[in-house]
Amino acid sequence: NAGVTQTPKFRVLKTGQSMTLLCAQDMNHEYMYWYRQDPGMGLRLIHYSVGEGTTAKGEVPDGYNVSRLKKQNFLLGLESAAPSQTSVYFCASNKRTDNPYEQYFGPGTRLTVT
Amino acid sequence: RKEVEQDPGPFNVPEGATVAFNCTYSNSASQSFFWYRQDCRKEPKLLMSVYSSGNEDGRFTAQLNRASQYISLLIRDSKLSDSATYLCVVNIPYSSASKIIFGSGTRLSIRP
Repeated sequence: NAGVTQTPKFRVLKTGQSMTLLCAQDMNHEYMYWYRQDPGMGLRLIHYSVGEGTTAKGEVPDGYNVSRLKKQNFLLGLESAAPSQTSVYFCASNKRTDNPYEQYFGPGTRLTVT
Repeated sequence: RKEVEQDPGPFNVPEGATVAFNCTYSNSASQSFFWYRQDCRKEPKLLMSVYSSGNEDGRFTAQLNRASQYISLLIRDSKLSDSATYLCVVNIPYSSASKIIFGSGTRLSIRP
């Protein structure tokens, strides 16, 4: 099992550019999440999904969109990147029947917006 | 006030020492509590859940104090490999679901 994978690992964008971060899991997990982690702020939930075809907003959803067309993939989109979106982005997943807080995290994507 | 607060550290202790740090939470309705470990430039991983009666996992002991609204993590006989950032995680009931709040972490550095 590869677990949770994220692509790309690093990216530098100019203000106004768009990009999509891909999260994939091969553990047949129903729940998937996107977080951002900034110094001194802890992990903050951007969006999450409780199943294929469903998404919901988290704590800091503005400026991001998501899609869950397939159970194993959860995409995070930035339509018009801003310097405030410079961060480390983590994807996580867990099974519906698991302790919902025992999340499995991907290795992260380091995004810099100039 | 942040919903979950941790002393950012760093805590710098010699190998073999015992070290403890706390995490305070502001919402008295918080239900579940966890410690995650995050190595430098890596993803967080669950270390242990925190149960009301306190629980131990090898050299690690977690405690919950609901009256004072804090949880603690004690590490005995610390090893160099314990160097990491420890994240406190709290589950708070929210509407018909719940929300998970991560603390910003306490950095621990074990020196030889």
